Amino acid sequence: QVQLQESGPGLVKPSQTLSLTCTVSGGSISSGGYYWSWIRQHPGKGLEWIGYIYYSGSTYYNPSLKSLVTISVDTSKNQFSLKLSSVTAADTAVYYCARLTRGDRDFWSGYFTGWFDPWGQGTLVTVSS
Amino acid sequence: SSELTQDPAVSVALGQTVRITCQGDSLRSYYASWYQQKPGQAPVLVIYGKNNRPSGIPDRFSGSSSGNTASLTITGAQAEDEADYYCNSRDSSGNQEVFGGGTKLTVL
Repeated sequence: QVQLQESGPGLVKPSQTLSLTCTVSGGSISSGGYYWSWIRQHPGKGLEWIGYIYYSGSTYYNPSLKSLVTISVDTSKNQFSLKLSSVTAADTAVYYCARLTRGDRDFWSGYFTGWFDPWGQGTLVTVSS
Repeated sequence: SSELTQDPAVSVALGQTVRITCQGDSLRSYYASWYQQKPGQAPVLVIYGKNNRPSGIPDRFSGSSSGNTASLTITGAQAEDEADYYCNSRDSSGNQEVFGGGTKLTVL
């Protein structure tokens, strides 16, 4: 059973870089077929997808955050990481890592499918001086 | 469009059936996945694909899709189903993941 665990500082100063790591256990990032993702949730608000990385290193980011976000992978440690630069108080949130599966296109409907599972427990990052 | 729209709040009487909806243009090509989130906890996948439940999710949870609307139905709602529910899909370009704003379900 694959499990994900976020780690990193819980407090970051404004204008600095937020850095988090997600450690994957029970399965290998290198096995392929999954997109390793970061999602955040501002206090009392909904979920915001930040971006994902494939084990090969290919990434895709939320356009609204693209200029500030870097996601990287370390297959030797079975980890992937998030860096968010020039943070402000608006970046205070619970940050989750999750595994995204994109399934095959449904033969009958032609629909595509995808889902996030499992999720890490989340880590609260507060941006404050 | 990269938006998924959900009603902010829905209520249901204990044991009754409730439908939570998610609307968006991309839902004409992509199935939604649904997540349950209880206070202080990470989201949990409850429905994915056409109508698939992960292991451990009760069969009172089901999903459906029609046109630009995806629905999560809870048949015989229980007190423990009280939570926030989020839909997720890709945007119309197929590259970006998006979440609905969430629906707070109250079981009366």
